[in-house]
Amino acid sequence: KAGVTQTPRYLIKTRGQQVTLSCSPISGHRSVSWYQQTPGQGLQFLFEYFSETQRNKGNFPGRFSGRQFSNSRSEMNVSTLELGDSALYLCASSHSGNREGGYTFGSGTRLTVV
Amino acid sequence: AQSVTQLDSQVPVFEEAPVELRCNYSSSVSVYLFWYVQYPNQGLQLLLKYLSGSTLVKSINGFEAEFNKSQTSFHLRKPSVHISDTAEYFCAVTLAGTGNQFYFGTGTSLTVIP
Repeated sequence: KAGVTQTPRYLIKTRGQQVTLSCSPISGHRSVSWYQQTPGQGLQFLFEYFSETQRNKGNFPGRFSGRQFSNSRSEMNVSTLELGDSALYLCASSHSGNREGGYTFGSGTRLTVV
Repeated sequence: AQSVTQLDSQVPVFEEAPVELRCNYSSSVSVYLFWYVQYPNQGLQLLLKYLSGSTLVKSINGFEAEFNKSQTSFHLRKPSVHISDTAEYFCAVTLAGTGNQFYFGTGTSLTVIP
């Protein structure tokens, strides 16, 4: 079956703009989590959606938001981009989103803010 | 507060030699432990995990890790590495009572030298 699909793979934006990233989970998976990966901070949890509801949220400013649609696809939005938002954004999906870790990660979207 | 420490940021090792990648964690609640591998320009792939039961867990490609509760460690080992094992390795935990987010270590870059 198809894996977790993230689009686009690469993105270049200008400081102050906003951006929307997309994640299509594995068919049947209802939980989608987002992580930011940077050389300085490593992998940090952004938020998790389950059945269209945000179930858990990391320690990021309100400029970072997300949503999940009825087909479980998820989008992440970052407004008023800053240089420090340059990162690899990873999405992970799971059938039930429990902490036993049945998550599959996508290949990520690499965002560069200039 | 919980944290995951990977003591070595880079580990070079010759092909067919053994390797150990170290991981320690701190937590006041019960944990589940994971090792993920990331190849260049790709997402994270689950290598192995400890949830309960036998403290020694193994992957299909020859890696193993042992949960040591007294030393709060979950070191990853392989008796004989291959060139294809060159990648970034991340140790992670999920914690009881904090939902299902992963807390990742900063990663260890394993380079296998021919």
